[in-house]
Amino acid sequence: DTAVSQTPKYLVTQMGNDKSIKCEQNLGHDTMYWYKQDSKKFLKIMFSYNNKELIINETVPNRFSPKSPDKAHLNLHINSLELGDSAVYFCASSQEGGGYGYTFGSGTRLTVV
Amino acid sequence: EDQVTQSPEALRLQEGESSSLNCSYTVSGLRGLFWYRQDPGKGPEFLFTLYSAGEEKEKERLKATLTKKESFLHITAPKPEDSATYLCAANNAGNMLTFGGGTRLMVKP
Repeated sequence: DTAVSQTPKYLVTQMGNDKSIKCEQNLGHDTMYWYKQDSKKFLKIMFSYNNKELIINETVPNRFSPKSPDKAHLNLHINSLELGDSAVYFCASSQEGGGYGYTFGSGTRLTVV
Repeated sequence: EDQVTQSPEALRLQEGESSSLNCSYTVSGLRGLFWYRQDPGKGPEFLFTLYSAGEEKEKERLKATLTKKESFLHITAPKPEDSATYLCAANNAGNMLTFGGGTRLMVKP
């Protein structure tokens, strides 16, 4: 059983389009995250979300929005895609506090052309 | 601003040649220092969490240590299957992980 699953694994789209990436976790964790890994392999936090609070990294453009239909899902919506949005996006989850480690999905490689 | 820096960026070792990876951090309200392993095309895989200076944790050929400013990942007698990118991350008081840029380890047989 995959603990944190993301779909799609690859996404190629044109500039200006709107797209979504889905994430589901079956670990019973209460907090989920979205990370962006750029071409230099740096992982940067975009959002942290539990049923109480959404924390947004202030550097993330408001074209990006997380949506959580329930505790096990955190989807990422991106409007008006730009070339610079091309990257690998990782979903992750943890128990509150994260002290036992974050579990990451296998990533979605987004290419904007 | 929280900052995590890893060195070296890349490390080539012969099989059996022990070495250490460095992670220096500046984080407000550290709630844990994490080590992850990332293989190409995959998400980071959790290895260790360290909470306080002086703490050590081991797993097979890997041992992680923590001081007030740095963490080290010691690799003893590495094998080719240890080749991967090793990521260090610090968890702050706001429960947000800040990652370093990683060390790409290549172990040749």
